[in-house]
Amino acid sequence: QKEVEQDPGPLSVPEGAIVSLNCTYSNSAFQYFMWYRQYSRKGPELLMYTYSSGNKEDGRFTAQVDKSSKYISLFIRDSQPSDSATYLCAMRQRNTGNQFYFGTGTSLTVIP
Amino acid sequence: DADVTQTPRNRITKTGKRIMLECSQTKGHDRMYWYRQDPGLGLRLIYYSFDVKDINKGEISDGYSVSRQAQAKFSLSLESAIPNQTALYFCATSDSQGDRGLGGYTFGSGTRLTVV
Repeated sequence: QKEVEQDPGPLSVPEGAIVSLNCTYSNSAFQYFMWYRQYSRKGPELLMYTYSSGNKEDGRFTAQVDKSSKYISLFIRDSQPSDSATYLCAMRQRNTGNQFYFGTGTSLTVIP
Repeated sequence: DADVTQTPRNRITKTGKRIMLECSQTKGHDRMYWYRQDPGLGLRLIYYSFDVKDINKGEISDGYSVSRQAQAKFSLSLESAIPNQTALYFCATSDSQGDRGLGGYTFGSGTRLTVV
């Protein structure tokens, strides 16, 4: 079983829709959770990070962590064509030397 | 200029050849990483280095070697390239704030390597 599971999609939504992206994980010791956005032919860029359980909001983006269910989500409100990218979740334990485990990524297309 | 620069951007090489991918950064970060990205498998860690004298194997280090020439430079070598090393390779950096879960990686734009 992979440490981190992520539905690869592809996901296609109309502009203005609310998008929900999700990852599940198996290691209950994971404490730091991140979401990266990767445009075509580019490296991933950090979008959101959270520690332990709870929600974090940044503009149109909300990251949620439910440690009891080993489930994390990224919500995008009022989605825009510029949000079209692959979204990767990443997570790690505390004090493991910065080694993150990545999901395989979900490809999102927002149609104008 | 990009914070993390990878060269070359694209490379086609033949089976059995030695090839080096280079990475340099202007972030001033002490930690550097090499990942490969494959469809359906995501990003997998090859090697990482926390400072110039520190080199560590990652999840998939077989067939690869690295050199940390300076704080800002970290190169990845394929000693004898094989076709299943065809992938997108990323260099990344971070600083010690990562230990507290703050911040994350800064990635380069990647090197697309094809081994024929």
